[in-house]
Amino acid sequence: AQKVTQAQTEISVVEKEDVTLDCVYETRDTTYYLFWYKQPPSGELVFLIRRNSFDEQNEISGRYSWNFQKSTSSFNFTITASQVVDSAVYFCALRGSSGSARQLTFGSGTQLTVLP
Amino acid sequence: EAQVTQNPRYLITVTGKKLTVTCSQNMNHEYMSWYRQDPGLGLRQIYYSMNVEVTDKGDVPEGYKVSRKEKRNFPLILESPSPNQTSLYFCASSLSGTYMNTEAFFGQGTRLTVV
Repeated sequence: AQKVTQAQTEISVVEKEDVTLDCVYETRDTTYYLFWYKQPPSGELVFLIRRNSFDEQNEISGRYSWNFQKSTSSFNFTITASQVVDSAVYFCALRGSSGSARQLTFGSGTQLTVLP
Repeated sequence: EAQVTQNPRYLITVTGKKLTVTCSQNMNHEYMSWYRQDPGLGLRQIYYSMNVEVTDKGDVPEGYKVSRKEKRNFPLILESPSPNQTSLYFCASSLSGTYMNTEAFFGQGTRLTVV
């Protein structure tokens, strides 16, 4: 069975600090897909990024960056110069490519609070 | 506008009274699924559907039913709700049930309270 672990339940930072959200995954599939979603206080789930297992290139989008390391089964998310609007719950998720692993498996989420 | 629409957004009901939460998507997506979100547990999949008339259990299917008679609709049915089904529910859809590299689009969520 596949699994996603977000060990940080809650993180609190002061505005303009950098913060990294950790994500560790387990899967038996050689082809799989990793995702990050944001859930702001309003409750909806917002897609942030998708990464395929065969593409280990890191990605940067504005203040957001993602570090995918297959060797350590990690897909960490860094917010640079955090802002109050970044306060949300962030979910890492994994989808395999075979059988029941094709369902989207979520981590338990990390509550990020950015203080002014 | 491409979207997944759930109704109702909020619902308070009593134990044992059958209810249905509707979900509709306008993106012609093949794959649809239902999740429940509980504190500390993240989102857990209840049921999913690879395409019309094809449904299967997720991780926590007990107490729920689904149907997929049309591609756009995927209702969640609680035949006899119990207090432990109090939760935040999300419907999601994605383009393909075969190719898993597409992201899921989520509805706005339904907050259900069973008293």
